[in-house]
Amino acid sequence: AQKVTQAQTEISVVEKEDVTLDCVYETRDTTYYLFWYKQPPSGELVFLIRRNSFDEQNEISGRYSWNFQKSTSSFNFTITASQVVDSAVYFCALSETGTGTASKLTFGTGTRLQVTL
Amino acid sequence: GAVVSQHPSWVICKSGTSVKIECRSLDFQATTMFWYRQFPKQSLMLMATSNEGSKATYEQGVEKDKFLINHASLTLSTLTVTSAHPEDSSFYICSARDWGQGGNQPQHFGDGTRLSIL
Repeated sequence: AQKVTQAQTEISVVEKEDVTLDCVYETRDTTYYLFWYKQPPSGELVFLIRRNSFDEQNEISGRYSWNFQKSTSSFNFTITASQVVDSAVYFCALSETGTGTASKLTFGTGTRLQVTL
Repeated sequence: GAVVSQHPSWVICKSGTSVKIECRSLDFQATTMFWYRQFPKQSLMLMATSNEGSKATYEQGVEKDKFLINHASLTLSTLTVTSAHPEDSSFYICSARDWGQGGNQPQHFGDGTRLSIL
């Protein structure tokens, strides 16, 4: 069975600080996908990134960057120069390949990020 | 693109009422939609996978007769909470994947429905 662990329940930082959200996963599949979603206080889930298991290149998108380390089964997310608008709950998720039910997402428990002035 | 609309966004009703939640993919076809439940300050838990034209697949522990799912078209799935009770109060979120873009595209989520049973 697949599992996603986000050990950090809550993180508080001051604006402009860098922050890294950890994600560790377990799966028996050799091919899988990893995701990060943002859930602001309003409740909707916002897709941030998808990474497949064969692509270990790190990715940068503006102030966001992701570090995928297959050897340690981790997919960490870093926000550089955090802003108040980054305050939200961030979920890491994993899905196996395939169609229908095989592609369902398993979510971590989420990390609540609070950015203050 | 890839917009998922969920309606209603908020429901408050009396115990014993049945509540229907709609999930629509607005600009793509979704043969598969997913229904999640989220309790306050907790993660999303998959309830069921909704398949167009066939029966939904429920996760272990989810009552099929309690949470009725219908996926009658490629753009609409509905979740009906039958005879709702206070313990059914939760945040329900649907998602859909645009299979027309190839396999394993990210799931796009609706804005969720906050259900409060008095």
